[in-house]
Amino acid sequence: QQPVQSPQAVILREGEDAVINCSSSKALYSVHWYRQKHGEAPVFLMILLKGGEQKGHDKISASFNEKKQQSSLYLTASQLSYSGTYFCGTGMGGATNKLIFGTGTLLAVQP
Amino acid sequence: DAGITQSPRHKVTETGTPVTLRCHQTENHRYMYWYRQDPGHGLRLIHYSYGVKDTDKGEVSDGYSVSRSKTEDFLLTLESATSSQTSVYFCAISDGLLNTEAFFGQGTRLTVV
Repeated sequence: QQPVQSPQAVILREGEDAVINCSSSKALYSVHWYRQKHGEAPVFLMILLKGGEQKGHDKISASFNEKKQQSSLYLTASQLSYSGTYFCGTGMGGATNKLIFGTGTLLAVQP
Repeated sequence: DAGITQSPRHKVTETGTPVTLRCHQTENHRYMYWYRQDPGHGLRLIHYSYGVKDTDKGEVSDGYSVSRSKTEDFLLTLESATSSQTSVYFCAISDGLLNTEAFFGQGTRLTVV
């Protein structure tokens, strides 16, 4: 089942903050976050692992609630360059390393 | 940038014809994935591979097949293309280590007329 993201879209002014949520119906081993600019490939932002390990962007933070199978991405003091579609990806772990992505959140940052 | 190339980048084909998309990597990564991207649906997993000749279905695999005969190539075949398969297709690779990300190809825009 595809993870569900909320909100579907958000419009911000430069400098404002935003939170994007990702929720899965299945137990997760890891959560990935990616950003996609229009017409381009998704680009890695952050990965959070069960147990608390994180790796990723130095200006973007995220949380991972393993019990609730939820993750949130926190964009603070947004910049124009933050505009794009954000995807969470959920990894089940194991030998097959299946990676499923969410429905996406469109973020538009205006001057 | 990770070495991952999709071909073709654009294709228009007729309903009922078979189509094969190619994903080629130079990173020697074990895991490869095919996704389709459609408005309102995000990225949906079609098929994925966890080794040479080891593949499994994703969430939207009907009408698609895959093959991986060597580490660097992962082929996606639309057996008989339909208009509902008009989409942008992305390939991704991962080495599968605990804290490493997936890298995406530039995508293939497929139109079935």
